[in-house]
Amino acid sequence: QLGLTQSPSASASLGGSVKLTCTLSSGHNSYAIAWHQQQPQKGPRFLMRVNSDGSHNKGDGIPDRFSGSSSGAERYLTISSLQSEDEADYYCQTWGTGIVVFGGGTTLTVL
Amino acid sequence: QVQLVESGGGVVQPGRSLRLSCAASGFTFSSYAMHWVRQAPGKGLEWAAVISSDGSDKYYADSVNGRFSISRDTSKNTLYLQLSSLRPEDTAMYYCARSGEALDIWGQGTRVTVSS
Repeated sequence: QLGLTQSPSASASLGGSVKLTCTLSSGHNSYAIAWHQQQPQKGPRFLMRVNSDGSHNKGDGIPDRFSGSSSGAERYLTISSLQSEDEADYYCQTWGTGIVVFGGGTTLTVL
Repeated sequence: QVQLVESGGGVVQPGRSLRLSCAASGFTFSSYAMHWVRQAPGKGLEWAAVISSDGSDKYYADSVNGRFSISRDTSKNTLYLQLSSLRPEDTAMYYCARSGEALDIWGQGTRVTVSS
């Protein structure tokens, strides 16, 4: 069954970097995923699509500080030069025919 | 600019119905599949339904199948979600989203509260 697993929380220092992980369920290593950011009290915002080969396509206006990569069943979101506004929930999402699946989300705290 | 604006939320009693709308602008609405995604208070994102670009195919999450109905009116550039037999657990913010690269454009949401 198609599914996504994320760690519930992460933290990193202001100006530093962090790598968030999203793991696809067994047998789904070839699936692309998308990363979405949700700042407090706001709607989600599409950050990028990450393909199984590690290539990624970012949404309009997404800074270069945000990048994506892949390894096996894992898909990553790396944020560098962390800013206070990066403190948010980050969701990964994938899809199949007639189904869309979200990970449980990772809450990022910028220290 | 590319924009999605939801409306129609409110407070409704259990068992009643409600229709949500999502007005699209800034892109060719008829070229994209469209989704509804919801988020219960303090919880994560939950996909609810999708409709194909021409409206011929519709899919639903198990949690809403048989109670919710997704539709679209291309002449009005508007997406709809008909909510029926509402339950307290349907209380959530409801977002519409465009299916481009992924769910690549989101609205700001409309809140539905199911309570007696």
